[in-house]
Amino acid sequence: SQTIHQWPATLVQPVGSPLSLECTVEGTSNPNLYWYRQAAGRGLQLLFYSVGIGQISSEVPQNLSASRPQDRQFILSSKKLLLSDSGFYLCASTGGYSPLHFGNGTRLTVT
Amino acid sequence: GQQLNQSPQSMFIQEGEDVSMNCTSSSIFNTWLWYKQDPGEGPVLLIALYKAGELTSNGRLTAQFGITRKDSFLNISASIPSDVGIYFCAGSNAGGTSYGKLTFGQGTILTVHP
Repeated sequence: SQTIHQWPATLVQPVGSPLSLECTVEGTSNPNLYWYRQAAGRGLQLLFYSVGIGQISSEVPQNLSASRPQDRQFILSSKKLLLSDSGFYLCASTGGYSPLHFGNGTRLTVT
Repeated sequence: GQQLNQSPQSMFIQEGEDVSMNCTSSSIFNTWLWYKQDPGEGPVLLIALYKAGELTSNGRLTAQFGITRKDSFLNISASIPSDVGIYFCAGSNAGGTSYGKLTFGQGTILTVHP
């Protein structure tokens, strides 16, 4: 079964600083990878997804970017954080026809 | 775009009671999923439904994929304190790269009093 590792678990960053959140997946190969954001403990919104190395699709216009340098590695980045980037960021993966599984998330607070 | 209306937004029940929550959509989905999220953690999949009319159980949980493909419900029988958390419905028009592109409801916060 899949295991999704995300780090860090929590992060406090000042406005204007850069961001790098990392996600790695074990237990599957060639997964589809996803970044979701959750605001205020409610519904989740899809930000990016990737079907392979170097392939990124963005779902919503925003201040963030994503990259997939290796098959099971997915990175969420920003050059300059905004206050509105605060939230709970979740990496997720599907392998084959398995339903979406989530990592344990990174709580980002921009101050 | 597609939206999911999940209700109720919150529930306060006594241990041992049954719980029912549902989601409705303005458009069809091919797959309905139910997740549970504990504080500070990622959502965990409870039940996946792939066929209109399908009724699936997982222990004390039962979920159904509505025949119109625009709704789904989740029932929890004989609730226990560890059922506390936020329950999310999610819909997908699964296939290829769309498989993990889910539309989520806003969640139902469940509180169980011992």
